[in-house]
Amino acid sequence: ETGVTQSPTHLIKTRGQQVTLRCSSQSGHNTVSWYQQALGQGPQFIFQYYREEENGRGNFPPRFSGLQFPNYSSELNVNALELDDSALYLCASSLEDNYGYTFGSGTRLTVV
Amino acid sequence: EDKVVQSPLSLVVHEGDTVTLNCSYEVTNFRSLLWYKQEKKAPTFLFMLTSSGIEKKSGRLSSILDKKELFSILNITATQTGDSAIYLCAVIRTTTSGTYKYIFGTGTRLKVLA
Repeated sequence: ETGVTQSPTHLIKTRGQQVTLRCSSQSGHNTVSWYQQALGQGPQFIFQYYREEENGRGNFPPRFSGLQFPNYSSELNVNALELDDSALYLCASSLEDNYGYTFGSGTRLTVV
Repeated sequence: EDKVVQSPLSLVVHEGDTVTLNCSYEVTNFRSLLWYKQEKKAPTFLFMLTSSGIEKKSGRLSSILDKKELFSILNITATQTGDSAIYLCAVIRTTTSGTYKYIFGTGTRLKVLA
């Protein structure tokens, strides 16, 4: 059983809407990163948070934003949803310089 | 442009076979390379490689990094049906601002037949 939990597990939204995905990191982990995985593709890095600050970002537009809270849980927000945003969104956490990330089971987002 | 390429894209073997999965990369400011196994949703961490030529082993799995030729291999010996999964390679690089960026390959889909 993974120590990273994500919610919801599945979500259907309409184009143009906004969505918030949530992630509780593994106990003791202070680094959280988010990935978008389209069908048949490897995960694409969205951004990473370390101690509540964003410290890395992939090639995603500003409508993808995030937060990390003092308890190191995290949110991914996506505004103005597009059909291409349909994907599995994975959250992963790690402890400091340990890059052996633990992944959650993901949120499957479908935009219609 | 940063690139991580895995080969083969897919592979079908029989139980007991040995397989070698490849990952080549072209990134600036390389930091580490990681291997993951993805069965249903959550990728499971296998190895992190930072130094060249040092083999990491875990049971029937082993991996090595060549930073001169810019590639890594993941070996699985005596394969079992439970090894069927997508194997992902990821590279971490540092950016000019000192932050980190993670680039995944598209994965190798391994199927092990009984």
